[in-house]
Amino acid sequence: RKEVEQDPGPFNVPEGATVAFNCTYSNSASQSFFWYRQDCRKEPKLLMSVYSSGNEDGRFTAQLNRASQYISLLIRDSKLSDSATYLCVVNGQAGTALIFGKGTTLSVSS
Amino acid sequence: NAGVMQNPRHLVRRRGQEARLRCSPMKGHSHVYWYRQLPEEGLKFMVYLQKENIIDESGMPKERFSAEFPKEGPSILRIQQVVRGDSAAYFCASSLGLADSTDTQYFGPGTRLTVL
Repeated sequence: RKEVEQDPGPFNVPEGATVAFNCTYSNSASQSFFWYRQDCRKEPKLLMSVYSSGNEDGRFTAQLNRASQYISLLIRDSKLSDSATYLCVVNGQAGTALIFGKGTTLSVSS
Repeated sequence: NAGVMQNPRHLVRRRGQEARLRCSPMKGHSHVYWYRQLPEEGLKFMVYLQKENIIDESGMPKERFSAEFPKEGPSILRIQQVVRGDSAAYFCASSLGLADSTDTQYFGPGTRLTVL
């Protein structure tokens, strides 16, 4: 079983759509959780951290279920600029390596 | 406030040559991580360094790869006798090294290594 698994994608949606990405992780001792965004051939950029209570940043909502070892990202009112690859990322503990999923590609069209 | 800097951005080497990749962390960051992204693959951890110390090199190939983060100057990832399979994007990240879950790694633009 891979350490971090994501929906394979790609997701092709029209502008204004709501889209959800799912992710599972295998290490129950994982401490920190993130969603990064990676545009084609560029570096990953932190989109948001994910907390057990769930958190929202504008059109983006992240949820964490520790019991199920499941992380989600919801994007509402999709924009063309949201087109990218979304990476689910897990960290065992502070100051250790990040473990990346392979990413899910989102393409938003007009 | 400059972010993480990497150079060169693109590097072409012939098989058997050496590749040196440099990373300057964000100002105030003393923790550096190197990751590799093979074509069509996710990022994979290679090595974690603090100034003058290798903390975790569990992701480094056993041969030909080495890394350092000297007291002065950038962190260096060195690949000796490169092979075609080394062609990839190499990303450096830095963090403050906070001892809690708020510690965040910020990535540089990467070095794209092509081995001919």
